[in-house]
Amino acid sequence: EAQLVESGGGLVQPGGSLRLSCAASGFAFSTYSMNWVRQAPGKGLEWISYISSGSSSIFYADSVKGRFTVSRDNAKNSVYLQMNSLRDEDTAVYYCARDRRGGWPDNFFDCWGQGILVTVSS
Amino acid sequence: EIVLTQSPANLSLSPGESATLSCRASQSVSGYLAWYQQKPGQAPRLVIHETSNRATGIPARFSGRGSGTDYTLTISSLEPEDIGVYYCQHRADWPLTFGGGTKVEIK
Repeated sequence: EAQLVESGGGLVQPGGSLRLSCAASGFAFSTYSMNWVRQAPGKGLEWISYISSGSSSIFYADSVKGRFTVSRDNAKNSVYLQMNSLRDEDTAVYYCARDRRGGWPDNFFDCWGQGILVTVSS
Repeated sequence: EIVLTQSPANLSLSPGESATLSCRASQSVSGYLAWYQQKPGQAPRLVIHETSNRATGIPARFSGRGSGTDYTLTISSLEPEDIGVYYCQHRADWPLTFGGGTKVEIK
């Protein structure tokens, strides 16, 4: 069974940095594109980043472009989100999400992690 | 950026009733639309992809239709476990975006 587990969240001051990790298991990780989606408290879903299976294509939402960096290590079945220059409005539950289709991305998400809370506050 | 507008914001129905949720895009998404269900405290779950294709394990009472800018998700006979917030999402272009959600409650 496919599973995603996020880690690395917590409390950070404005302007600080945090690195999220997402460990995958139960599927051929290296063939799937991966995404990060966040959800501010009581709010809706916001897609923030995409990385293709081989890391050749990367996209970001404007709200995080220039501050967040997505990467992956297929040997470790993991995807990462480096978050710098954090702002109050980055406070959210962060989910990693797998593309529905391996080998040829369709940018819909059929497997999600449980989410990890990032709180940006002084 | 393609903006997805969902309506209604809230839907309260009795078990067995039919629920119709709407998602309107600011420009055509060419059928590249999905629906997700999110229950309280849980991660979202894919319900429908590519307008009308049910995801694995989704009951047949869920159906989707639409084209261009207008899409609907129908739950033909509401069950208590169908409560939650439903989001639409497109993949027509970058950035990917979600709608604001429709909260489905049972009377």
